[in-house]
Amino acid sequence: GAVVSQHPSRVICKSGTSVKIECRSLDFQATTMFWYRQFPKKSLMLMATSNEGSKATYEQGVEKDKFLINHASLTLSTLTVTSAHPEDSSFYICSAEQGFTDTQYFGPGTRLTVL
Amino acid sequence: AQTVTQSQPEMSVQEAETVTLSCTYDTSESNYYLFWYKQPPSRQMILVIRQEAYKQQNATENRFSVNFQKAAKSFSLKISDSQLGDTAMYFCASLTYSGNTPLVFGKGTRLSVIA
Repeated sequence: GAVVSQHPSRVICKSGTSVKIECRSLDFQATTMFWYRQFPKKSLMLMATSNEGSKATYEQGVEKDKFLINHASLTLSTLTVTSAHPEDSSFYICSAEQGFTDTQYFGPGTRLTVL
Repeated sequence: AQTVTQSQPEMSVQEAETVTLSCTYDTSESNYYLFWYKQPPSRQMILVIRQEAYKQQNATENRFSVNFQKAAKSFSLKISDSQLGDTAMYFCASLTYSGNTPLVFGKGTRLSVIA
């Protein structure tokens, strides 16, 4: 149990385009999901907290207009990188909080490359 | 604010031996969770073990166990009978009980299991 999927696993796009990443909790409902960015050989950097049915809470320094987050249901949150630039190239990971255990389970991550 | 410190950037262990990864944390909260996550080369974050701060008994999961010293704010991970598949980055993390709050991660310890 407690499986989180993330799609796509890898995406390459041209500068200026938008990319949507989906995060799904497959066998539990998640009121709260989190989006992280991870640079090579570094720890996870929290970007935003996504709450079902309400606006996401962004960490300081994260542009909310650039990284659009939608948490439309208890099993799905999406991160859209708008007008992507090469500096947005990174590994993006989501997690979903299993409420009754207060434990976060992670998706397998998405490698974004912006040319 | 919570902080988590992992003082060992890299460690290595011989296959079948035992290794201990260190983690210290700082929090003003009385109720919180502590976690160890493993990130193998695939970059999938995997929950290894979870400890609730109010529980005095140390958590164990098969070959993985923790030494939780609440007064010292220490939460080390012991891996017994190390296997090649244990080679990974290990992150210690803390979480307050209040829900809807993000994990606070340490910087990680890279563990290499040598045949």
